[in-house]
Amino acid sequence: GAGVSQSPSNKVTEKGKDVELRCDPISGHTALYWYRQSLGQGLEFLIYFQGNSAPDKSGLPSDRFSAERTGGSVSTLTIQRTQQEDSAVYLCASSISNSPLHFGNGTRLTVT
Amino acid sequence: QKEVEQNSGPLSVPEGAIASLNCTYSDRGSQSFFWYRQYSGKSPELIMFIYSNGDKEDGRFTAQLNKASQYVSLLIRDSQPSDSATYLCAARDMRGNNRLAFGKGNQVVVIP
Repeated sequence: GAGVSQSPSNKVTEKGKDVELRCDPISGHTALYWYRQSLGQGLEFLIYFQGNSAPDKSGLPSDRFSAERTGGSVSTLTIQRTQQEDSAVYLCASSISNSPLHFGNGTRLTVT
Repeated sequence: QKEVEQNSGPLSVPEGAIASLNCTYSDRGSQSFFWYRQYSGKSPELIMFIYSNGDKEDGRFTAQLNKASQYVSLLIRDSQPSDSATYLCAARDMRGNNRLAFGKGNQVVVIP
């Protein structure tokens, strides 16, 4: 596709449920990033993939958060046993090596 | 100390004036710097990137980098109402960790 694609665009879930967020990067982009943005806040780094490996998982807030990337393309961010503080916009970005990041439109997660 | 700091509050400028935004970073290993624009409810979009000391101009935008002072700025000339948005400064450490660290952003309001 022409840009980074994220799905779903909106997700409302009950506290304690698991959710999966999907990111389809720009074709050919080897690097993929997940960020989180809470209301009125800056971007919080979660995890970075180079190809299928994740050399930097330092931003994952807890062991309820995990991510994987397969085939050097699509990535899935999974949040288990969601909590209300997980409510935020989850942004995915991709890039070629060290070039600027290109962001998707995000997934707005609301945990009730 | 946060990695990237944008300390100014909301900036109001009259249409046609120059908007000036500042950003400081703490990691001397940072090698590349980015300015993103984010409209309310939208994802960040790249405005400028700069790698070398000095000025870089692109249309109405000028980015300035001073590595000795660990300081990055963005000037918006001939400000337009469509420039009203939040501007995010980001720095990347090129030593192996490819993530971008973002500041909290500065809101710009251009008054017609």
